[in-house]
Order: sequence, then structure tokens, then C-alpha cells
Amino acid sequence: AQSVAQPEDQVNVAEGNPLTVKCTYSVSGNPYLFWYVQYPNRGLQFLLKYITGDNLVKGSYGFEAEFNKSQTSFHLKKPSALVSDSALYFCAVSPPSNTGKLIFGQGTTLQVKP
Amino acid sequence: DAGITQSPRHKVTETGTPVTLRCHQTENHRYMYWYRQDPGHGLRLIHYSYGVKDTDKGEVSDGYSVSRSKTEDFLLTLESATSSQTSVYFCAINGGGGQYEQYFGPGTRLTVT
Repeated sequence: AQSVAQPEDQVNVAEGNPLTVKCTYSVSGNPYLFWYVQYPNRGLQFLLKYITGDNLVKGSYGFEAEFNKSQTSFHLKKPSALVSDSALYFCAVSPPSNTGKLIFGQGTTLQVKP
Repeated sequence: DAGITQSPRHKVTETGTPVTLRCHQTENHRYMYWYRQDPGHGLRLIHYSYGVKDTDKGEVSDGYSVSRSKTEDFLLTLESATSSQTSVYFCAINGGGGQYEQYFGPGTRLTVT
């Protein structure tokens, strides 16, 4: 079965420190990979995507993600965390097809403390 | 923000009653999706549409039906609501043709008592 795993329910980091939110996937073929962020009582906002090409992709708000095909991972990173980055983060995968359906991980809450 | 609205934003209903949620887009996008969000499960696909009158089932489609009679509207119906359908429902759109990411509406919080 196709799946996405976010192994940490919560990540705590101090403001100014680097952050990493982990994601691994089990999907056949060459899937498209995404990160979304959700602030309280809001919809999901698109952060970044990997389709093909360079393994390091840059997105909104200073976030970036590294695609590793051999480890089937797509970890979200930021060099210097802000308190305002505190939110719920979702990794999602779209299996190769033309329908664009997404398979989501369960989400990781990022808490950045001053 | 992408032009997606959902209505109602909040609804409380009783077990056994029918409920219809509406998603409206102003982007003229081909693909539309309904997801539900539950703690510990992330978002799970209920149904999706790839054009007017063209729909297909997702991962958790039991107890739900959809209709799309116009490009801009995608309706999700719970024929007979159950407490297990208490959730937050999100609509999403995707333009296709090289636009790979989806854009999400603000969500509808549904409580079935």
C-alpha cells in the first residue's frame, strides 16, 4: 500500500536554530512530493514541491526540502526558525498519474520557542 | 489565496440526516478534490473530479457521494450522517497541465451528534 510517514508528532526548536521536519514515503515509480503548512483554524497552504531535477528545492518563507531517492525521504528544513513558523506541517505525495491525487502524512506540529 | 470558498463553514447535524457541503472555485480549474482531516490521520481523499460530471472515489468514499454539474461547483453529500463523519472537510483544486500542487479552501467543520 502506498503511504507517507512523518515519524515525529511534534518537533520543538528554539528560535534562530535550524529546523528539520522529517518525511518518508512508500510509493512506486517517481512520485511528486509536496509540503504544506496549516495554521490554526485555517486551510492548508502550499510551501514547496519536488517534481524533477535538483534534489534541493526552495519554497515559501525560507523553507527548503531535500529529496533523497535512495532513502525515499523528503525532509523539510529551514536554517533559522522563527516563532511564527509554529504550525502543523504536512508532507504529501502524488503517485505518477494524471489525476493529481495526494497521499498525506499524519502531520508534524512544529513548536518554535523564543 | 486561490479563489476557493466552502459553505457552510460550520455545521452541527443529527445522526441520520442528509448533509451537503459546497465547494466553489473561481479559477476555472479542471480538478477538484474533497478531503477529510482527522487527528492522527492527516488528510484523506474522499472523492475527486476531473471534469464536469466526471468523478471518482478516493480512499475513504463509503457514506459519501459527490456531484459536479458545473466547472466551478463540487458538492459533497453525506446521505445519512453518522458520528464517524464528524470531521473537518477540505476542498482543493488543481489546474492540471503542469500545475502539480493543489490549493485548498478554508474548510468546513462538521459535527454529527
